[in-house]
Amino acid sequence: GENVEQHPSTLSVQEGDSAVIKCTYSDSASNYFPWYKQELGKRPQLIIDIRSNVGEKKDQRIAVTLNKTAKHFSLHITETQPEDSAVYFCAASPGASKIIFGSGTRLSIRP
Amino acid sequence: GAVVSQHPSRVICKSGTSVKIECRSLDFQATTMFWYRQFPKKSLMLMATSNEGSKATYEQGVEKDKFLINHASLTLSTLTVTSAHPEDSSFYICSATTTSGSSYEQYFGPGTRLTVT
Repeated sequence: GENVEQHPSTLSVQEGDSAVIKCTYSDSASNYFPWYKQELGKRPQLIIDIRSNVGEKKDQRIAVTLNKTAKHFSLHITETQPEDSAVYFCAASPGASKIIFGSGTRLSIRP
Repeated sequence: GAVVSQHPSRVICKSGTSVKIECRSLDFQATTMFWYRQFPKKSLMLMATSNEGSKATYEQGVEKDKFLINHASLTLSTLTVTSAHPEDSSFYICSATTTSGSSYEQYFGPGTRLTVT
């Protein structure tokens, strides 16, 4: 089955700097790649997603890139703010709407 | 739109008892619902996929007789943890997908924190 690896597990950046989180997936049939932000004790919130027919997508300070050949995808957050501090999960969907999550990255923004 | 609720939000039960958790799609019909469990500081692990009117599909390593899933209608799925033990203590989250359009998005419930004493 699908296996999603994510790194780093923790990331600390200075406020205003950029943060990058990287993921790889194993199933070449996966065609949908969402990213979630989760605050402690809360549900995951979809922040951006990308489909396999697109290489890059941007929404304000957040961008995702996808390299289907290498089975890599990344999340880029620019101009980080304190409210960006949370745990971020990448995920991949191998079909039938099923989503497999990465292990998570705890992002801390230093003031 | 696309709101998913869970009940209860928190539950404490004694070892050996069973606990039922409900997941409802409030403003859309969901042919497919998913159940996840999340241990502290860990990722969401998919337990099973629940389709309305049919048996749930369980992920490898998940005991179907321990985690009973019923998806009786297009707006309700239930997870029953049978004969609960302390190691079943976890955060259980459901999600649902809509039946319309080509959306891949899953809509998550707020989660249920189960503590087994």
